Amino acid sequence: DVKVTQSSRYLVKRTGEKVFLECVQDMDHENMFWYRQDPGLGLRLIYFSYDVKMKEKGDIPEGYSVSREKKERFSLILESASTNQTSMYLCASSLSGTSGYEQYFGPGTRLTVT
Amino acid sequence: AQSVTQLGSHVSVSEGALVLLRCNYSSSVPPYLFWYVQYPNQGLQLLLKYTTGATLVKGINGFEAEFKKSETSFHLTKPSAHMSDAAEYFCAVTQAAGNKLTFGGGTRVLVKP
Repeated sequence: DVKVTQSSRYLVKRTGEKVFLECVQDMDHENMFWYRQDPGLGLRLIYFSYDVKMKEKGDIPEGYSVSREKKERFSLILESASTNQTSMYLCASSLSGTSGYEQYFGPGTRLTVT
Repeated sequence: AQSVTQLGSHVSVSEGALVLLRCNYSSSVPPYLFWYVQYPNQGLQLLLKYTTGATLVKGINGFEAEFKKSETSFHLTKPSAHMSDAAEYFCAVTQAAGNKLTFGGGTRVLVKP
């Protein structure tokens, strides 16, 4: 079974702090994704990585950055956390290609910024 | 650009009744379509997907969905709801040659005994 793990289930940070969210997958997937989930808005893509050291902006990248130094690990960074970044953050991974490979999701990190 | 619309943010069904969750999409190229389920405090789990071939797709837990190109729809059904079906359901679309999913807003299902 594919396993995607996230470093924390719950996190509370103060405004202005630098926040790191870590994601690790164990199935040698090329693609990794960071989403935020807010009620009524579904999942919105923050950043996407299709290879080590490669990244692509998603729909809502402002206020976030990412790092992918190893194939299995994809980090989301909030340079200076703000209250409007309070949300559920989901990491996912998938194989690359044109065969409609599904994404596998981690359990999520619920971040509260006070 | 792709988009997904799920009609109804909340659906309430009685145990044993039909579950019908509606999903319409827009895509300029042939789509790949997915339904995911999210149980409380968990990540998303794939229910089923349509890529090519048969338009009626069967998934896990007795769910199925039908791709209707003329209606740009991919509605999810289950003949008989079970209490364990209470969850949030997300429809998603991607292009055949792409890897990024676009999600609908989600539909939360409540199952009444």
